[in-house]
Amino acid sequence: GESVGLHLPTLSVQEGDNSIINCAYSNSASDYFIWYKQESGKGPQFIIDIRSNMDKRQGQRVTVLLNKTVKHLSLQIAATQPGDSAVYFCAENGDSSYKLIFGSGTRLLVRP
Amino acid sequence: DVKVTQSSRYLVKRTGEKVFLECVQDMDHENMFWYRQDPGLGLRLIYFSYDVKMKEKGDIPEGYSVSREKKERFSLILESASTNQTSMYLCASSRSKGSGKLFFGSGTQLSVL
Repeated sequence: GESVGLHLPTLSVQEGDNSIINCAYSNSASDYFIWYKQESGKGPQFIIDIRSNMDKRQGQRVTVLLNKTVKHLSLQIAATQPGDSAVYFCAENGDSSYKLIFGSGTRLLVRP
Repeated sequence: DVKVTQSSRYLVKRTGEKVFLECVQDMDHENMFWYRQDPGLGLRLIYFSYDVKMKEKGDIPEGYSVSREKKERFSLILESASTNQTSMYLCASSRSKGSGKLFFGSGTQLSVL
C-alpha cells in the first residue's frame, strides 16, 4: 500500500556533527517530497522540499537527497546544533494535488 | 509570517459531548486541513478544504465533520466524542492546489474521558 516510512525512530548525534535522517517511500506516483521539523509543543514546520526532477537540493545547513531508483529520501543537517533537536517528518504527495502522506517521524537528539 | 491559530491548546471533554475545534489563518490561503497526531502514527489527515464551503474526506473522517463558512476559518466537529478520539489535533493551511508547504497551528490536545 501507499506508505512513507523511516528507518530510524531515534537518532542521537553529538553537537557539531552532521546528521542524516532517512526515509523510504513506496508510492511511485509521488513527485514531490517535503521535510518538516516539529519541536516540542509546536506544530510541524516546513524545512525543505524537492521535486522528482531533482536529486539534490540545498538550504541553509540542510540538504535533501532523493534517490528515485530505490525510493529513498534523506535529510542531511550540517553542524548539528541543540536547536535542531526535534522530530523530523518526511512527506510525499502520492497521487494527490492536495493531500500529503506523512511518515511516522524520527526523533533527533543532539548531545552537548 | 503566516499565522495559523487554534482556539484551544488543551481541551478535556466527556464521552458523548459535541466538541468544536476552531482554526483561523491570516494569509488568505485557499487550502485548510485537519490532522490528528498520535505517537508512532505520524500525522493522519481527517478532512481538508480547498475552498469556502467545500470539504473533502481525508484518510480517517469517521466520527468527524468540518465546516468552512469563511475562507480564513476551518472548524472540526466531533459530533459525539469518544475516548479513541483523544489525540493531538493539528490544523494547517496552504496557499493553493499543489502547494506542499503547509503552515501548521500549535495544536490542540484533546482528552476525552
